[in-house]
Amino acid sequence: SQTIHQWPATLVQPVGSPLSLECTVEGTSNPNLYWYRQAAGRGLQLLFYSVGIGQISSEVPQNLSASRPQDRQFILSSKKLLLSDSGFYLCAWGLVGTQYFGPGTRLLVL
Amino acid sequence: QKEVEQNSGPLSVPEGAIASLNCTYSDRVSQSFFWYRQYSGKSPELIMSIYSNGDKEDGRFTAQLNKASQYVSLLIRDSQPSDSATYLCAVGYNNNDMRFGAGTRLTVKP
Repeated sequence: SQTIHQWPATLVQPVGSPLSLECTVEGTSNPNLYWYRQAAGRGLQLLFYSVGIGQISSEVPQNLSASRPQDRQFILSSKKLLLSDSGFYLCAWGLVGTQYFGPGTRLLVL
Repeated sequence: QKEVEQNSGPLSVPEGAIASLNCTYSDRVSQSFFWYRQYSGKSPELIMSIYSNGDKEDGRFTAQLNKASQYVSLLIRDSQPSDSATYLCAVGYNNNDMRFGAGTRLTVKP
């Protein structure tokens, strides 16, 4: 069966610091991978998605970037965090349209 | 514009009652429809998917789709306190894109 991992689970970072969140998927090959952000009490905002290694599509222009160095690894990064980057970051994998979410990373930028 | 609308709630029902959650979407080319359950502080969990008009039943859950009216709903029969969560409606498209509603918060009172 497929499993998706995210780490860290929680993170507190100062404004202006860098960010790296990692997501890995087990039990499947060449999945579509997604990064979402959910602000407190809000819906899911799609940030990036990838259909293959090195292929990244950005939905929202901002100070975040994503990379897919391996088939089942998806990384979300920032060089300088803003207060507005706080939220619940969710990685998801998908095949044939359906998406399944990882446990998420809760980020607080102070 | 691909929009998915849900009543934010909260929707409160007594234990044992039927909970009815509704969702409308704007883009007629939508191909697939999903309901996710999200407990407070947790990531969304897929509970139902539906692709064609009509009803689809899975245990206490029934998803209903009406493409002509661009409407999808979720019925939860014999509601339990453990069903208390936020329910996210999601609409999928052919290009592996998926759009989420902001969610409806359901409370089942014992």
